Amino acid sequence: AQKITQTQPGMFVQEKEAVTLDCTYDTSDQSYGLFWYKQPSSGEMIFLIYQGSYDEQNATEGRYSLNFQKARKSANLVISASQLGDSAMYFCAMRERDSNYQLIWGAGTKLIIKP
Amino acid sequence: KAGVTQTPRYLIKTRGQQVTLSCSPISGHRSVSWYQQTPGQGLQFLFEYFSETQRNKGNFPGRFSGRQFSNSRSEMNVSTLELGDSALYLCASSSSVAGALYNEQFFGPGTRLTVL
Repeated sequence: AQKITQTQPGMFVQEKEAVTLDCTYDTSDQSYGLFWYKQPSSGEMIFLIYQGSYDEQNATEGRYSLNFQKARKSANLVISASQLGDSAMYFCAMRERDSNYQLIWGAGTKLIIKP
Repeated sequence: KAGVTQTPRYLIKTRGQQVTLSCSPISGHRSVSWYQQTPGQGLQFLFEYFSETQRNKGNFPGRFSGRQFSNSRSEMNVSTLELGDSALYLCASSSSVAGALYNEQFFGPGTRLTVL
């Protein structure tokens, strides 16, 4: 079974609109961490935001926020006021003890911002 | 502070050859992880080194190996290359210790390997 599922292979969004990128995860660990990374066409992975399983508040970093719904095992990334520079691949990833703390990645979502 | 550097950036090899990729972590970081990224399999963890010791290993054949030097620089080696080894190989460094959930990794630009 997939540990991290990103159901949106690609998305087109109008500039300045908000966008939500979906991520669901599967773990039996009580303690785990969830990450979002951005990968522009240059290839380098850029860390965006982190949510720990015990964090009571949703994580926020500037225009990025993580909509964490623990019971539904979802960790959606919300980008407010999208910009052309947000066009990139976005990956959701998880770290858990059962997987020896390796980063397990989703398949990614290709986001294209339209002017 | 300089970021993670990887050399070479691009590499073309033929089947059966071997290749060595290099990664220099951010100064002060002692943990280096390697990932393989392909269109078919996505991102997959290869291995992690911390203070010259392999701390974690993904599910890859023994043709894939790595090492870390005392200055934290790391190399990965792939022997007897196969067409399926064509991929972007990403290196990431971290200052965190083993078993940490929040382990922010800083990635290099990657080495794109093409096997013909």
